[in-house]
Amino acid sequence: GENVEQHPSTLSVQEGDSAVIKCTYSDSASNYFPWYKQELGKRPQLIIDIRSNVGEKKDQRIAVTLNKTAKHFSLHITETQPEDSAVYFCAASRSGAGSYQLTFGKGTKLSVIP
Amino acid sequence: GAGVSQSPRYKVAKRGQDVALRCDPISGHVSLFWYQQALGQGPEFLTYFQNEAQLDKSGLPSDRFFAERPEGSVSTLKIQRTQQEDSAVYLCASSPSGSIQYFGAGTRLSVL
Repeated sequence: GENVEQHPSTLSVQEGDSAVIKCTYSDSASNYFPWYKQELGKRPQLIIDIRSNVGEKKDQRIAVTLNKTAKHFSLHITETQPEDSAVYFCAASRSGAGSYQLTFGKGTKLSVIP
Repeated sequence: GAGVSQSPRYKVAKRGQDVALRCDPISGHVSLFWYQQALGQGPEFLTYFQNEAQLDKSGLPSDRFFAERPEGSVSTLKIQRTQQEDSAVYLCASSPSGSIQYFGAGTRLSVL
């Protein structure tokens, strides 16, 4: 089955700096890669996603890049703010192949220091 | 409209008790998923429904876990004879199509 590795497990940045979180996946058939933000005790919230036919996607301060050949994808947050502090999860799935289960990484705890 | 709603938010059970966890998906969402999230870990897939059909239950850890969605809307995850290792947050997600999944806040189950 699919295996998703996520790094780093913790990340501290100064407010205004950029943050980068990296994930690798094992199943070359995976074609959908969402990122979720989870604050303590709250629901995972989808913040951005990318499909395998696209190399990069951007939404304001958040961007995701995908390298299918290397089987890795990354989340980039620019101009970080204290409210960006949370745990971020990457995930992968074979969307459209009858099984839509998401396989998650172990998460990255991002702390933005004011 | 409202997001995915789960109840109860917290559940304490004695070892050996049966529990039932409820999920109300976003109205009109065909797909429904259950995940288990251990402390400090990412969610792990349990099972998947498309309407009332359970199409994938490969993630259910044992035959003590059972899920149903009889009318293709509300779903219940039942755990029989709970054990301490069942303690976790149980998350439900729904999707209009399958790929983009919207999560509920989860039920935190503590088995004493």
